[in-house]
Amino acid sequence: DQQVKQNSPSLSVQEGRISILNCDYTNSMFDYFLWYKKYPAEGPTFLISISSIKDKNEDGRFTVFLNKSAKHLSLHIVPSQPGDSAVYFCAASVEGAQKLVFGQGTRLTINP
Amino acid sequence: DTAVSQTPKYLVTQMGNDKSIKCEQNLGHDTMYWYKQDSKKFLKIMFSYNNKELIINETVPNRFSPKSPDKAHLNLHINSLELGDSAVYFCASSQGTHGYTFGSGTRLTVV
Repeated sequence: DQQVKQNSPSLSVQEGRISILNCDYTNSMFDYFLWYKKYPAEGPTFLISISSIKDKNEDGRFTVFLNKSAKHLSLHIVPSQPGDSAVYFCAASVEGAQKLVFGQGTRLTINP
Repeated sequence: DTAVSQTPKYLVTQMGNDKSIKCEQNLGHDTMYWYKQDSKKFLKIMFSYNNKELIINETVPNRFSPKSPDKAHLNLHINSLELGDSAVYFCASSQGTHGYTFGSGTRLTVV
């Protein structure tokens, strides 16, 4: 019973182009969504988040879009850089639940 | 100065052994967690502690026993290790329900 799903295990993008990572969720109680980035042999690090009262949040090259009706969020990275090559995890939470529910990650590779 | 540090980074042990993984955070966070990344790469919560009190226990076998001597430490002890326990275990901390900081993980291999 995976409440958060990232259906693309991997994505390859050319340097300078836009990377779009997708995430779907099933639990309509989720009210906060986050993206984490993970390099090999390191823990996930926080990248960007969005509250369910918004549909877009932007931070530099990173933008997260939330479509509540479709229970879908996406992370856009533009322009993509080689250092963006990592595994990206989508996560969701319910206020007060004190836990994050993660997707299985998408491995992004930026090609020079 | 590492914010969330866990040791050891790698652990190889035989079935049936008992082992511990230690975690410490210097961020002053009130809540600490253990997550397990299984073979399918999902990160799943195991335990959550708030100010040394157990908040979440996600149907983890009772061979796993977390211990929080103070709010800066959350250790994980595993008894009678099984092959299926092989995974990467991540410790994390947060202030509130968002903004987790993760440790670098402990790769446990049971042979």
